[in-house]
Amino acid sequence: DVVVTQSPLSLPVTLGQPASISCRSSQSLVYSDGNTYLNWFQQRPGQSPRRLIYEVSNRDSGVPDRFSGSGSGTDFTLKISRVEAEDIGVYYCMQRTHWPWTFGQGTKLEIK
Amino acid sequence: EVQLVESGGGLVQPGGSLRLSCVVSGFTFSNIWMGWVRQAPGKGLECVATIKDDGTAKYYVDSVKGRFTISRDNAKNSLYLQMNSLRAEDTAVYYCARGSGSSWGQGTLVTVSS
Repeated sequence: DVVVTQSPLSLPVTLGQPASISCRSSQSLVYSDGNTYLNWFQQRPGQSPRRLIYEVSNRDSGVPDRFSGSGSGTDFTLKISRVEAEDIGVYYCMQRTHWPWTFGQGTKLEIK
Repeated sequence: EVQLVESGGGLVQPGGSLRLSCVVSGFTFSNIWMGWVRQAPGKGLECVATIKDDGTAKYYVDSVKGRFTISRDNAKNSLYLQMNSLRAEDTAVYYCARGSGSSWGQGTLVTVSS
């Protein structure tokens, strides 16, 4: 199985400051069709996950533009340009290039 | 509005069975892959099974192969997960998810305990 490793696992951030989460995979996530199937999810306390980003850098509808995704191959990043209170929760990256689709361990974003 | 509503969770003894259901609305169910993702208490997310739009292809994580069966009824806009030979480690909230996670249900809790 493809192992997906996130860092850090805990991310204390001051409101209004930027935040960055790294996601690394044990194999390239470039599929045979040339696309890279790496998604980012947010899970607020007590809620279901919500997809923020698909295929590395495409924001889902309704996702604020302070969220951005980047990367290629095996190395990916989710950035929040200015953290707001509603951003607290756990963030997961997930690869769906190889079955089984696998998630990272999750990064808990909290406000300092 | 897209909606996914799971049901069928509950308390079951080890070795027992449960059938989860997910009824969807707000999108063309028959055109999209669907899947089940679970989350053990206080833990991360795990893709359990996924099924092609027409039901002709199904994939399972190794830990549930031979015990769980994913299926769908496109006429009823419904997704199912038949879970047999349940183990304590199957205890989790089970989410129904559209495609690669573009939409999720609220989840249904499965507890396997004697």
